[in-house]
Amino acid sequence: DAGVTQSPTHLIKTRGQHVTLRCSPISGHKSVSWYQQVLGQGPQFIFQYYEKEERGRGNFPDRFSARQFPNYSSELNVNALLLGDSALYLCASRVAEATYEQYFGPGTRLTVT
Amino acid sequence: GQQVMQIPQYQHVQEGEDFTTYCNSSTTLSNIQWYKQRPGGHPVFLIQLVKSGEVKKQKRLTFQFGEAKKNSSLHITATQTTDVGTYFCSLPRGGNNRLAFGKGNQVVVIP
Repeated sequence: DAGVTQSPTHLIKTRGQHVTLRCSPISGHKSVSWYQQVLGQGPQFIFQYYEKEERGRGNFPDRFSARQFPNYSSELNVNALLLGDSALYLCASRVAEATYEQYFGPGTRLTVT
Repeated sequence: GQQVMQIPQYQHVQEGEDFTTYCNSSTTLSNIQWYKQRPGGHPVFLIQLVKSGEVKKQKRLTFQFGEAKKNSSLHITATQTTDVGTYFCSLPRGGNNRLAFGKGNQVVVIP
């Protein structure tokens, strides 16, 4: 079975632009979470979605938004990019909302110049 | 707010030796998870601990949850080069929907 997939793998954007990152969870997983990981740090929680509804939000500005589609795939959107948004963006899926075990995708490496 | 501290942040371990990494919280935890991230890779789920004083083993890895449920440890015996990577603990913050990760313990194995 395929694991969590993310696209694109790498992305270079300019300050002020916006970006859309995509994630497909493991088949049968209904919950998707997004994390930002800067070099040398642990992943920071951005959003969790379950059954297309936002179930949790981290301490990120409103420039960050996300959604989940009927097939449980998800998009993370970031507007008005800043240099500090450069990071590895990870998507993680889990079977249900309240389960603890998460499966991470390979991530999207975003560089903002 | 809930603080997660992992110690040490960096370890150099001789191949064949044992090492331990710790995760400490300022508050009592309902559960804790451990993940491993290889260089250039993504976090991979290792274990979840829920009960006070719980000990779980996975081959050379031993995970322990403190009696007060405020700390946890991961002990690896007979370190191999495949153990290289960063070990993270994560814990729920504000319900299961939000997970807070520590800064990780980066482990370098010396052959």
